[in-house]
Amino acid sequence: DGGITQSPKYLFRKEGQNVTLSCEQNLNHDAMYWYRQDPGQGLRLIYYSQIVNDFQKGDIAEGYSVSREKKESFPLTVTSAQKNPTAFYLCASSIAAFTEAFFGQGTRLTVV
Amino acid sequence: AQTVTQSQPEMSVQEAETVTLSCTYDTSENNYYLFWYKQPPSRQMILVIRQEAYKQQNATENRFSVNFQKAAKSFSLKISDSQLGDTAMYFCAFVSDGGSQGNLIFGKGTKLSVKP
Repeated sequence: DGGITQSPKYLFRKEGQNVTLSCEQNLNHDAMYWYRQDPGQGLRLIYYSQIVNDFQKGDIAEGYSVSREKKESFPLTVTSAQKNPTAFYLCASSIAAFTEAFFGQGTRLTVV
Repeated sequence: AQTVTQSQPEMSVQEAETVTLSCTYDTSENNYYLFWYKQPPSRQMILVIRQEAYKQQNATENRFSVNFQKAAKSFSLKISDSQLGDTAMYFCAFVSDGGSQGNLIFGKGTKLSVKP
């Protein structure tokens, strides 16, 4: 089955640690995105990539980093510089920019 | 800046009845796409319906239809014969081909509860 897989589903981070969220897609989509969802905030764009080896900052990129070494994969690292990382993180992909996106099931990150 | 506004934070409807969720957007672009996404308690985002701005005909998908008013920049979602499984957060989203990002811009969502 084609789709987008995010792992893990739940992740706990200690203060000062970096953590990496995984996102893999087998839809052969060129574009991939990371969104953050907070209660009452809707979805906010962290980073996006329209092609392998290229990515751009979104609206709230501070404290996050990404890589796009393969078309299928777009991991997100939440660094210690992100002061309020507790949130629900959604990865998405689309066949190209300016089309609808398809989403993974999300990762809930909690700082302990 | 391009924005999407959903003015109804919460709504409820009786099972089998019809409900309309509102969405307005702001853009100076002429070519764009609009979407409604559903996020049930599982938190999986599911595409409900899409509308291309250049199409005058309103999109429909089974019990879901939209009322697209381009001049008014309005994009409402109508759910007919509401079912308990329609209970979810609903997000309106927008993307234009005139911007540099090509990513979706979301409203803050409307929480819909379908009551038996």
